[in-house]
Parts: sequence; structure tokens; C-alpha cells
Amino acid sequence: GAGVSQSPSNKVTEKGKDVELRCDPISGHTALYWYRQSLGQGLEFLIYFQGNSAPDKSGLPSDRFSAERTGGSVSTLTIQRTQQEDSAVYLCASSMTIETQYFGPGTRLLVL
Amino acid sequence: AQKVTQAQTEISVVEKEDVTLDCVYETRDTTYYLFWYKQPPSGELVFLIRRNSFDEQNEISGRYSWNFQKSTSSFNFTITASQVVDSAVYFCALSEANYGQNFVFGPGTRLSVLP
Repeated sequence: GAGVSQSPSNKVTEKGKDVELRCDPISGHTALYWYRQSLGQGLEFLIYFQGNSAPDKSGLPSDRFSAERTGGSVSTLTIQRTQQEDSAVYLCASSMTIETQYFGPGTRLLVL
Repeated sequence: AQKVTQAQTEISVVEKEDVTLDCVYETRDTTYYLFWYKQPPSGELVFLIRRNSFDEQNEISGRYSWNFQKSTSSFNFTITASQVVDSAVYFCALSEANYGQNFVFGPGTRLSVLP
């Protein structure tokens, strides 16, 4: 596709359940980023993938959060044992190294 | 370390007024990139401009203009003759070339343009 796509667009889950969020980056982009944006807040960096290098996980808020990127393309962000404070919009972006990031539409996660 | 500050949390202007959004950054790198993104109410972040650290020329694109000043570590964004459609949250961001490739975003400025 022409842009970054994310699925699902919305996710409602119960506290304690696991969720998986998917990101399809722009074809050919080597870098992929996950961010979290809480209501009315700025962007919080979560994790960064660059090619086949080990990911930069410095932004993950707890060990309940993990992400993988298969084949250097699609990425999945997994949140285990979700908590209400995990409710946010999760944004994915891709880029060619330090060039411009292009963002997906986000996944709105609501934990009840 | 990288840091981006947008001191203005919210700004309200009346349509057709000019408005400037401030961005101040901190970096240890000599090669870096600065960005502005727009996030309209629909939520999707839209890229507006990228500027590298070696290019201090100001840029104008229609009603938008950007003033990059390395001496004050600022990269301010001006909207001339604002319109209601300019209402959005605007984020300034920084990427360093030599100290990892993490993008750091400022907290954003919410601009409301009133008719």
C-alpha cells in the first residue's frame, strides 16, 4: 500500500487480557517505530527497529510490553495482562533511516 | 541528550491572524534533523517539513513558514492568515544522526483557530 497501515483501528479489551497490535510499514522502509499517545498528550516513544539490528527497546514502559518485526517488514506490538493505564492510541511509523517518519492512523486501545 | 520543548501548550487565535509556534531543542550531535508534524482532530500525524542542521535557510510554503536559528536552538513555525482548518496539535521533533536514530517529539501545541 501507499502508506503505513495499522490494525485493528480500535480495540476494546478487558483488564488482564493480552492484545496484539499490527503495523504494516511502507514498502522499502527499513526503520519502524512504535509510539503511544495518551488522551491529550504527546508522543511517547516505545520501541524502534532498524533493519536486522537489535531493536531499541528503551521506551517500553514495562515487561508486559514486547514487539517483534518479522522479515524486516510487519511488526506486532503485544501487551500482556493489560491494565487500564494502557488505554491510549498506539501509533506506528516507518522511515528510511533518519529520513522523515510517516505515521499510520493508529490503534485506539481501551482497557475496561 | 535529545530534548524538544514546545512551551506553548495551547494557543487560540481568530481566523486570519498570524500565529507562531515555538520549538526549542537540545542536542549533542552536530548533524541532526528537525521536523514539524500536524495532528488534526482526525488523529493521523501529517508531515509538514524536515530541516537538516546544515541548512539554516528559512523556508516558506504557502501560508506556512519556518525560522531555523542554530544560535538559539530554535525552529519556529509561523502560519500566516490562519484558517479554521489549521486547528490541530502541532508537534516539533528532532532526530540525531550519530547518536542512535530515535526521534524525540515535543509535547505539542494545540492551536485553535476561531471563525
